[in-house]
Amino acid sequence: QKEVEQNSGPLSVPEGAIASLNCTYSDRGSQSFFWYRQYSGKSPELIMSIYSNGDKEDGRFTAQLNKASQYVSLLIRDSQPSDSATYLCAVMYNQGGKLIFGQGTELSVKP
Amino acid sequence: NAGVTQTPKFQVLKTGQSMTLQCAQDMNHNSMYWYRQDPGMGLRLIYYSASEGTTDKGEVPNGYNVSRLNKREFSLRLESAAPSQTSVYFCASSASGQAEAFFGQGTRLTVV
Repeated sequence: QKEVEQNSGPLSVPEGAIASLNCTYSDRGSQSFFWYRQYSGKSPELIMSIYSNGDKEDGRFTAQLNKASQYVSLLIRDSQPSDSATYLCAVMYNQGGKLIFGQGTELSVKP
Repeated sequence: NAGVTQTPKFQVLKTGQSMTLQCAQDMNHNSMYWYRQDPGMGLRLIYYSASEGTTDKGEVPNGYNVSRLNKREFSLRLESAAPSQTSVYFCASSASGQAEAFFGQGTRLTVV
């Protein structure tokens, strides 16, 4: 079992809808959680970071963390075609700063 | 604003050949990482270095070696390339264990 799990998708939503991306992780001691966006042929870029339980909002993006359930999610409101990309969940493990990624979820926003 | 620089951008190797992928960052970051990305597999950690002088294995270290030459540079070596090592390789760096990681532009490696 991979240490960080995501639904690989593809996830397709209409323009203007809410896209919901989910991620689970195996190490209960993890402290730092990240969402990256990767366009085809490009490098990953950070969208959100979250470190404590609850919600964190930044514009159209909301990250949610539930450490008891070992679950982190990303909501994208008012989805736009430009949001079409692969979204990668990443978890920083306590021991020595190992940063582990999930397999990514491909999101397609249809006009 | 160079950030993280990887060389080369593209490489074709024959099976059994060796090569070193270079990575340098100019952000004074402590941590550096090497990942490979294959279709449908996300980013898989090969090796990482939490600080200058230290390196640790990641998820898929077999067939690779690394050197943290100094704080700026972290190289990845393939001693005897195999077709299974055909992939896109990304180098990344971060200031600390809790900070975001910044990525290089990637190296597309093909082993024939």
